[in-house]
Amino acid sequence: GAVVSQHPSRVICKSGTSVKIECRSLDFQATTMFWYRQFPKQSLMLMATSNEGSKATYEQGVEKDKFLINHASLTLSTLTVTSAHPEDSSFYICSASPGQVSASASYNSPLHFGNGTRLTVT
Amino acid sequence: AQSVTQLDSQVPVFEEAPVELRCNYSSSVSVYLFWYVQYPNQGLQLLLKYLSGSTLVKGINGFEAEFNKSQTSFHLRKPSVHISDTAEYFCAVTKDDKIIFGKGTRLHILP
Repeated sequence: GAVVSQHPSRVICKSGTSVKIECRSLDFQATTMFWYRQFPKQSLMLMATSNEGSKATYEQGVEKDKFLINHASLTLSTLTVTSAHPEDSSFYICSASPGQVSASASYNSPLHFGNGTRLTVT
Repeated sequence: AQSVTQLDSQVPVFEEAPVELRCNYSSSVSVYLFWYVQYPNQGLQLLLKYLSGSTLVKGINGFEAEFNKSQTSFHLRKPSVHISDTAEYFCAVTKDDKIIFGKGTRLHILP
């Protein structure tokens, strides 16, 4: 079945540094990928929609200059947390769906999620 | 207004007992409904979905959910839980071409 790989699974970084998270669709092409953030004991919040070959679409309240998204190919999207601060510590999850372009994306094929990245900023 | 509400943040249940995880949605959103499961430190996996048709939806791992339009609910059920069902369960709806997740319910299986 369709698989989405996310790397790294855990990362600890110092305040002020930048961290890059990769999201790959392993056996399908994804023109659109989605990035979520999950706070402890809370739901997933959609941060942005990553579009291959074009700029990402950010949700209201998400700083695009802080959370840089690059979707360089049909199988890879990256999220870079720039100048990370302790409040950026969170669980970040990506998702993708074969051949779909909407975040609902589940009418015919399910949305596949990566295993997430636990970011801790010290 | 919140689009989806999970009334219980945590549900303890004995192994082999039945369980119901509650989910209510806002009637203002389109009625595409989903349940996802998240195991510790992992991403989400689709359990089941309701798009149209039969209101009783069967999913993986023995779970099922019933869409109730009059009560705007989509509760998740399993007749007999196993220790491996310990996880966080998220109800989700589509709104404006996006998925909106509930806050999740942690299912805690007691031995």
